Amino acid sequence: ILNVEQSPQSLHVQEGDSTNFTCSFPSSNFYALHWYRWETAKSPEALFVMTLNGDEKKKGRISATLNTKEGYSYLYIKGSQPEDSATYLCAHSYNTDKLIFGTGTRLQVFP
Amino acid sequence: SQTIHQWPATLVQPVGSPLSLECTVEGTSNPNLYWYRQAAGRGLQLLFYSVGIGQISSEVPQNLSASRPQDRQFILSSKKLLLSDSGFYLCAWSGGGQETQYFGPGTRLLVL
Repeated sequence: ILNVEQSPQSLHVQEGDSTNFTCSFPSSNFYALHWYRWETAKSPEALFVMTLNGDEKKKGRISATLNTKEGYSYLYIKGSQPEDSATYLCAHSYNTDKLIFGTGTRLQVFP
Repeated sequence: SQTIHQWPATLVQPVGSPLSLECTVEGTSNPNLYWYRQAAGRGLQLLFYSVGIGQISSEVPQNLSASRPQDRQFILSSKKLLLSDSGFYLCAWSGGGQETQYFGPGTRLLVL
């Protein structure tokens, strides 16, 4: 099993702060890297699918970068809001569309 | 638009009892279907994967089985539940390849 590591495990920030998380994955046989947001009592919601080295994606205040050669992706949230509070999951697929998930970064934004 | 349904939402079962969780997808045809489990304090783990009717790939050895009797129906079963089967079960679908996987609302299973 090829592990996906996410850090930090949890994060508490004040409203308005910018923050970022890291996802590390094996760099061999890379296929795609997915980011999801998982709010309590809801289904995981897809944020980004990234496939190319150097990819940068943006959705509102959230953006992500990808480095497939060194095996990491960063997720950035600019000006965090309380509604951003959720667990952020990354998942790596290698050669197929089966995903291996990290354990997530749990973000809590205080007003 | 596509929707994915799972039921039941919550289930409490005694050890040794059977299990059947159902997942159906609407608004798409020939989807790839997935069953995941999140055990307490752990990440999402892929249990089963299906690319078509009757085609099931098992990712980890376990006490569970899956079936796909129809194109948009995916069922997770067990003949005898173990305590370690407790967790949150999510069904997902995708169009295959590098496409996003879309998750259902999940079933929380507690085995006592």
